[in-house]
Amino acid sequence: DSGVTQTPKHLITATGQRVTLRCSPRSGDLSVYWYQQSLDQGLQFLIQYYNGEERAKGNILERFSAQQFPDLHSELNLSSLELGDSALYFCASSEDRVTDTQYFGPGTRLTVL
Amino acid sequence: DAKTTQPNSMESNEEEPVHLPCNHSTISGTDYIHWYRQLPSQGPEYVIHGLTSNVNNRMASLAIAEDRKSSTLILHRATLRDAAVYYCILGGAGSYQLTFGKGTKLSVIP
Repeated sequence: DSGVTQTPKHLITATGQRVTLRCSPRSGDLSVYWYQQSLDQGLQFLIQYYNGEERAKGNILERFSAQQFPDLHSELNLSSLELGDSALYFCASSEDRVTDTQYFGPGTRLTVL
Repeated sequence: DAKTTQPNSMESNEEEPVHLPCNHSTISGTDYIHWYRQLPSQGPEYVIHGLTSNVNNRMASLAIAEDRKSSTLILHRATLRDAAVYYCILGGAGSYQLTFGKGTKLSVIP
């Protein structure tokens, strides 16, 4: 158990819909990262927040957005969903900015029908 | 981003040591070498990291070449639970995200 929690575990929705994925980091960790893992693209970094502020952006689509709240939990919002958005979405957290050791949650499996 | 090269797959017998290689010839002086693994249907799991010296922890050992252009993750006694995809990743200060490659899929034979 990494100490990072993600909800929900599974999500099934239809094209065009909007969903919100939630992540609670390990106690004391200020950084939260979001990653997407699909069969054809592998694990890809989406976005990082540090203490409530966006710190780094990766291959995140404009239809996707994220935020980190004062209690440090984070939400990833996916809108206008397409079939290709079906994937595993992982959240990770870290406290050590120099070595960037990240602890991953169990993931949310999103299926878009 | 500095890149790493790993074999696509490796096999090991249970209870034998496993040496997983990684080449990173373009590593910069400030890059740490991280190893993560991903068991089936789970999130990636931190294994070990190092900068210049060899490192040991309860999970594994990391041997880093003197020129830092390669490293080896050593599992001292493979178990069935070690069957996973192992990723060698470079990162450090100012490079917060992890860039995952395809990794090495380790199979452990009973």
